Amino acid sequence: DGGITQSPKYLFRKEGQNVTLSCEQNLNHDAMYWYRQDPGQGLRLIYYSQIVNDFQKGDIAEGYSVSREKKESFPLTVTSAQKNPTAFYLCASIGQGVYSGANVLTFGAGSRLTVL
Amino acid sequence: EDQVTQSPEALRLQEGESSSLNCSYTVSGLRGLFWYRQDPGKGPEFLFTLYSAGEEKEKERLKATLTKKESFLHITAPKPEDSATYLCAVQDWAGTYKYIFGTGTRLKVLA
Repeated sequence: DGGITQSPKYLFRKEGQNVTLSCEQNLNHDAMYWYRQDPGQGLRLIYYSQIVNDFQKGDIAEGYSVSREKKESFPLTVTSAQKNPTAFYLCASIGQGVYSGANVLTFGAGSRLTVL
Repeated sequence: EDQVTQSPEALRLQEGESSSLNCSYTVSGLRGLFWYRQDPGKGPEFLFTLYSAGEEKEKERLKATLTKKESFLHITAPKPEDSATYLCAVQDWAGTYKYIFGTGTRLKVLA
């Protein structure tokens, strides 16, 4: 079955460490996204990529980095510069809607990062 | 600025007690409005897309409607398995790849 695979599901980080969250999709989608979810807040966009080797900062990109070397993969690195990284991270990609207008975001199962 | 507001923040219903969730939005040009269901510790699951005022979509006990300013998710005779957080999001024609999410409504259906 096609879908988005995020790993690991749970990750613990010590202060000062960089960690990388994996996102792989086999949906043949061009655009991929990373969101951060905190209690009581809407999903906030970290980075998105429309095509391979291209990506744009979202609303809260500081302290994060990404790469898009393959269409299927969009890893997110949470760097030591991110002061409050404990959150639930969601990877998503765009699929085509029934009509040509809006595009439906398909999400992975998420990765929960906790800073010790 | 695009904005999405969902209400109520939380809702407790008895099994079989119908109700509605609200999603108010402000966009310069609505490309699409999306409803998702999210279970604890999991990613959002797509439910509906609505494109224009007056449109309605149904799936089992859920029915989504859209006006020029808001969308409602009606839940008819809910069951405990409908308990989840329901998220609303909009896509603006101006920002092709940008989606604005509300903070969600946490629904608890009691047996």
